[in-house]
Amino acid sequence: GAGVSQTPSNKVTEKGKYVELRCDPISGHTALYWYRQSLGQGPEFLIYFQGTGAADDSGLPNDRFFAVRPEGSVSTLKIQRTERGDSAVYLCASSLGLAGGYETQYFGPGTRLLVL
Amino acid sequence: DAKTTQPPSMDCAEGRAANLPCNHSTISGNEYVYWYRQIHSQGPQYIIHGLKNNETNEMASLIITEDRKSSTLILPHATLRDTAVYYCIVRSPNPYSGAGSYQLTFGKGTKLSVIP
Repeated sequence: GAGVSQTPSNKVTEKGKYVELRCDPISGHTALYWYRQSLGQGPEFLIYFQGTGAADDSGLPNDRFFAVRPEGSVSTLKIQRTERGDSAVYLCASSLGLAGGYETQYFGPGTRLLVL
Repeated sequence: DAKTTQPPSMDCAEGRAANLPCNHSTISGNEYVYWYRQIHSQGPQYIIHGLKNNETNEMASLIITEDRKSSTLILPHATLRDTAVYYCIVRSPNPYSGAGSYQLTFGKGTKLSVIP
C-alpha cells in the first residue's frame, strides 16, 4: 500500500493482559515513530527507530512498554500488564530517514486500545 | 523544539478563507514551522512547512512574519472536509547521529469547525 498501515484498528483487552500493536511503514522509509494520543490531547512521542535500532526511546512511560523493529521495516509496540490508563490511540509514523533533512512524517490511522 | 501557542477553537463559514494563527516567539534560526491536521478518527496529516519565506501548496498557504515569532495557516476556500484539529509545530532538523530524535511535539492545536 501507499501509506502507513496499522493493525489492529481496534483492540479491547483486560487489565493485566499483554498486547502487541503492529505498524507497517511506507516502503523505503528508514525512520519510524510511535506516538500515543489520549482523548482531547495531541499525540505524544514514545519511541523513534532509525533502521533496526531504537535511536530515542525517551518517551516510553515505563518498562511495561517495549518496541522492536527487527528487520528495519515492520515495527511492533508491546505493552505488558496493561492498565486502564494505557487506553489511548497509538499512532505510528514513518519518514525517509535522511541525514540532516527536515523530514515530513506520514502517519497511519492508529490503533485504538481500550483496557477494561 | 520551541513552544507554540494556538487558540483552542475557531469557526469558519464554508467557502470563506480560514486563517489559523500560531505564536512561536522562542523559535530559533534553524527551526522550521510545520502544520499538521487531524480529522476525527484519523492520524495526523501533513499540510505545509516553512522556514522564513511564505509557502503555498495545493492544500494551504503559510505566512511567516519577518521576525518569525508567529505564523498563519490559510485555507483559501474552506470546505466541510476541512473541519479538523490543526497543529502548529516548530522543529529542528534531524542530526542523524544515531542518537538524535526527530520527534514531533504536538500541543492541543486549534479545533477548526467549518460551518455550512
